[in-house]
Amino acid sequence: QQQVKQSPQSLIVQKGGIPIINCAYENTAFDYFPWYQQFPGKGPALLIAIRPDVSEKKEGRFTISFNKSAKQFSLHIMDSQPGDSATYFCAASKSTGFQKLVFGTGTRLLVSP
Amino acid sequence: GAVVSQHPSRVICKSGTSVKIECRSLDFQATTMFWYRQFPKKSLMLMATSNEGSKATYEQGVEKDKFLINHASLTLSTLTVTSAHPEDSSFYICSALPAREPGGEQYFGPGTRLTVT
Repeated sequence: QQQVKQSPQSLIVQKGGIPIINCAYENTAFDYFPWYQQFPGKGPALLIAIRPDVSEKKEGRFTISFNKSAKQFSLHIMDSQPGDSATYFCAASKSTGFQKLVFGTGTRLLVSP
Repeated sequence: GAVVSQHPSRVICKSGTSVKIECRSLDFQATTMFWYRQFPKKSLMLMATSNEGSKATYEQGVEKDKFLINHASLTLSTLTVTSAHPEDSSFYICSALPAREPGGEQYFGPGTRLTVT
């Protein structure tokens, strides 16, 4: 029940394309859903996060879509650029208690010029 | 923005020795810090949750006597890998939860690459 399933494992898009990464969770107690971007040899950096009271959140070129009934959420990257090539992780946690993040398995995105 | 640092960024040690990794929150106080381990091309695996002034809580399968965690102040947590072996070689990452923002964002450090020869 603690798992967060992420797909696809890897993704190649052309510059300007819109990669979509999907995640699904099981624990209905989760109420905080962040997405992280990680470059090789670096720590993860928060891109955008959503809570269950909204179905969509947009920050710049990054959009999270959230479907509470299906227990799924996804990341869309608009007008993708080669600099977006990185590994993306979704995660989920409760916003109370220890607030431990459960990470998805990651998606390696390559944006070709 | 909130900054978390780790030191060292890279360390190479011989098998059987111990190595200490520091995690500092530079501009905020963190009552809770987390330690993760990441193998190449894999996801982050939570090792333990560190609360200031109390014993760390370890995840199942993580040896607490091998991975000693100390959270002595609101800005510093340390991870000591004792009697390191080559299989302990990994990328270790910490994160910190600001005391002022319960339920909010965790801030991640840049990671420490440990190589045990």
